[in-house]
Amino acid sequence: YELRQPPSVSVSPGQTARITCSGDTLAKQYVCWYQQKPGQAPVMVMSKDSQRPSGVPERFSGSSSGTEVTLTITGVQAEDEAAYFCQSTDNTGTRYVVFGGGTKLTV
Amino acid sequence: QVTLKESGPVLVKPTETLTLTCSVSEFSLTNAGMGVSWIRQSPGEALEWLAHIFSTDQKSYNTSLRSRLTLSKDTSKSQVVLSMTDMDPVDTGTYFCARVIIEYNREGGFFYYSIDVWGKGTTVTVSS
Repeated sequence: YELRQPPSVSVSPGQTARITCSGDTLAKQYVCWYQQKPGQAPVMVMSKDSQRPSGVPERFSGSSSGTEVTLTITGVQAEDEAAYFCQSTDNTGTRYVVFGGGTKLTV
Repeated sequence: QVTLKESGPVLVKPTETLTLTCSVSEFSLTNAGMGVSWIRQSPGEALEWLAHIFSTDQKSYNTSLRSRLTLSKDTSKSQVVLSMTDMDPVDTGTYFCARVIIEYNREGGFFYYSIDVWGKGTTVTVSS
């Protein structure tokens, strides 16, 4: 089971960044998103496709369409430069956690 | 505030067994629907889920590493221990423990995991 992400996305400050995550079973499964800055642990920035955890800026939003989930950052700031990983659940047989390959966002 | 902290050796030799401990605070390993996951990351690479254990003592392991991994928990100490046998230089990286939550979506009829709190990670180098 595989989650596919673009290796990199580049935007200018103030623009909108969209990072996609695709997988065969995402039409019937939730995705979480994690932000990881160099030398730090990942931090959840989105759960259940589009639920923003407390403390995450409103410029982060999530959406889902079929087998693709998108993390959108509206009005990107320099501090948003990081790697972003999507994560889902493989429900075939024993349940597993699955991560995407990660997307490096350059601002 | 929920926290998790990894501890263990910084350096292990090839073929040795790595033992890592995750100490948790402000949540109990007996809480229903909650557990502890181990995730690792090689330098510059993606996150790789290794295993998790829940309050029911239900455990799941990464299929490709299953034969090398063992999880256990000590509820009284609020600790989860991961052992990985036959270490190799390719196992070098940062090992994270994190709180994992399992929930059920009734409308869709599926279970799903989310990882809401991460430890800072511990770096392990495998070298002779």
